[in-house]
Amino acid sequence: QSALTQPRSVSGSPGQSVTISCTGTSSDVGGYNYVSWHQQHPGKAPKLMIYDVNKRPSGVPDRFSGSKSGNTASLTISGLQAEDEADYYCSSYAGTYASWVFGGGTKLTVL
Amino acid sequence: QVQLVQSGPEVKKPGASVKVSCKASGYTFTDYGFYWVRQAPGQGLEWMGWISAYIGNTNYAQKFQGRVTMTTDTSTSTAYMDLRSLRSDDTAVYYCARAPKSGYDISPFDYWGQGTLVTVSS
Repeated sequence: QSALTQPRSVSGSPGQSVTISCTGTSSDVGGYNYVSWHQQHPGKAPKLMIYDVNKRPSGVPDRFSGSKSGNTASLTISGLQAEDEADYYCSSYAGTYASWVFGGGTKLTVL
Repeated sequence: QVQLVQSGPEVKKPGASVKVSCKASGYTFTDYGFYWVRQAPGQGLEWMGWISAYIGNTNYAQKFQGRVTMTTDTSTSTAYMDLRSLRSDDTAVYYCARAPKSGYDISPFDYWGQGTLVTVSS
């Protein structure tokens, strides 16, 4: 199973919106509505921000939203804040018995 | 509250084995399973496999089959990941995360352990 494709980096100014893409195949992203997004600050464990393409766990601000079209999922962060600066990873169910595949990660810089 | 607390850092020589533990609390252990995920220095996340804490069945990523064994101990609410024949490129932070108890249920990585650094060096 190949890793999902994400841009290496994105950036935006406080208050702006940014979108991070995650491209897979019909065997993962395109085949199931089970895409998740995780935020990871340096030296910390990942934190679930979006699951099932567009659902937010309790406590995650509604500035974070997810969507999917075909084999590409997207995470949009609106109203950027300094604390949003982190690495973001997408993941997708890979179609077989509890298996998942991750993206390579995107570093978000808040200018 | 749900907590997953992992064992401390390890330094191993090439060819050795390492066993990382993940102690769960705050929920009924056998109602869930565990994913194991690793992250090499400066690299992305890599799914290693899954184990059910209910009946112990597993699914390992093809890359690790034959080298990894995942187990659980219901008496101590602890999951274990054993990786053998270590190489330098196994140097990584290893994470456990809560998973569904059935391989047919699809559930995201909602709670994570703090990570365990395993360093493989001669």
